[in-house]
Amino acid sequence: EVQLVESGGGLVQPGRSLRLSCTASGFSFANHALHWVRQAPRQGLEWIGFIRSKDFGGTTQYAASVKGRFTISRDDSNDIVYLQMDSLRSGDTAVYFCAREGTYFVLDHWGQGIQVAVSS
Amino acid sequence: DIQMTQSPSSLSAFVGDRVTITCRASQDISSYVSWYQVKPGTAPKLLIYAAASLQSGVPSRFSGFGSGTDFTLTISNLQPEDFATYYCQQSHRTPLTFGGGTKVE
Repeated sequence: EVQLVESGGGLVQPGRSLRLSCTASGFSFANHALHWVRQAPRQGLEWIGFIRSKDFGGTTQYAASVKGRFTISRDDSNDIVYLQMDSLRSGDTAVYFCAREGTYFVLDHWGQGIQVAVSS
Repeated sequence: DIQMTQSPSSLSAFVGDRVTITCRASQDISSYVSWYQVKPGTAPKLLIYAAASLQSGVPSRFSGFGSGTDFTLTISNLQPEDFATYYCQQSHRTPLTFGGGTKVE
């Protein structure tokens, strides 16, 4: 069974950093691209970015709203994808989901999400 | 960026009803549309990909249609577990973008 479990969320002050982890199981992690998506309170889903598999260069792409502040990386040895969030703002308050890419940009399995609150 | 305009934003329905949600893309995206079901506190669930392909394990009462710019998700014979929020998403190119969501209540 494919499982994705996010961790590392919590309350953080504006301007500080936080690193989320997403631990995967039940599939060949190294063969898949992984995405991060967030949902702010009473808002819809917002794509943050993704990291390709090493077979496709392991490169990353980000939404404009987080580019330069957020970094996605992966550890294929331990089946974990990370979201490093720097210079956090109140507008980054959201539930953060990691998701596996199945076919072309289709997110076929998601984690349950982790809450991040940015407040002083 | 490709904008996805979803309607309605909410709808009221009864068990057994047929429900249709629409999504319009700001440009031609062929059949690169997926539909997801989201319930509070749970992992979002992929229902439909490539506009009309049913994801494995998803009940056949869910169906998708469309190509180009106009897409629909239909739930026939609405069941109690179907009350949730539904999102379309374009998978044509990055940045991936979602519709604003439709809450079925």
